[in-house]
Amino acid sequence: DIQMTQSPSSLSASVGDRVTITCQASQDISNYLNWYQQKPGKAPKLLIYDASNLETGVPSRFSGSGSGTDFTFTISSLQPEDIATYYCQQYDNLPTFGQGTKLEIK
Amino acid sequence: EVQLVESGGGLVKPGGSLRLSCAASGFTFSSYSMNWVRQAPGKGLEWVSSISSSSSYIYYADSVKGRFTISRDNAKNSLYLQMNSLRAEDTAVYYCARAKPPLTVTLDYWGQGTLVTVSS
Repeated sequence: DIQMTQSPSSLSASVGDRVTITCQASQDISNYLNWYQQKPGKAPKLLIYDASNLETGVPSRFSGSGSGTDFTFTISSLQPEDIATYYCQQYDNLPTFGQGTKLEIK
Repeated sequence: EVQLVESGGGLVKPGGSLRLSCAASGFTFSSYSMNWVRQAPGKGLEWVSSISSSSSYIYYADSVKGRFTISRDNAKNSLYLQMNSLRAEDTAVYYCARAKPPLTVTLDYWGQGTLVTVSS
């Protein structure tokens, strides 16, 4: 199985801050990486697919980059409604998710 | 509007069986790959199984292979997960999720989930 190491596991930031989450794959996965947002008690929501493509309807403050083994997810200006847990997911092989990053407002 | 509604969750004893269903609407179900993803209480997401639009391709996580069976009925716009030999570690919310074409495990719509509790 391909292991996804996501960091940090939790993060506290202020409204307006730039927030960055990283995800590292245990082997080369090209750009076969997605990012999801999950708010408490809700189902996950697809934000970014193929490492850098913004899903339709998702605000442009969200972005993704990377290829190979190292990937980055960025919120350019944190909004209160962005409080959630974020997961990366690889699909080069059978899909696996990172352990999640819980984002809180400082 | 795309809707996915899971049902069939509940309390079951270890070693028991349960069948989950997912009713789909608002899109041409027969054209999309579908998936099950689960989340243990307070834990992260775990992909469980995937089935292609015509059921030609089926995949399972190692943790459920040989115990769970995914299937679909395109005439009824429904996805299923038959779960046998259930263990305590199968306790989770189970989500039905649609795959974003042409991909098979990029999940663009999710149901609200159904809770499966395995306990004596």
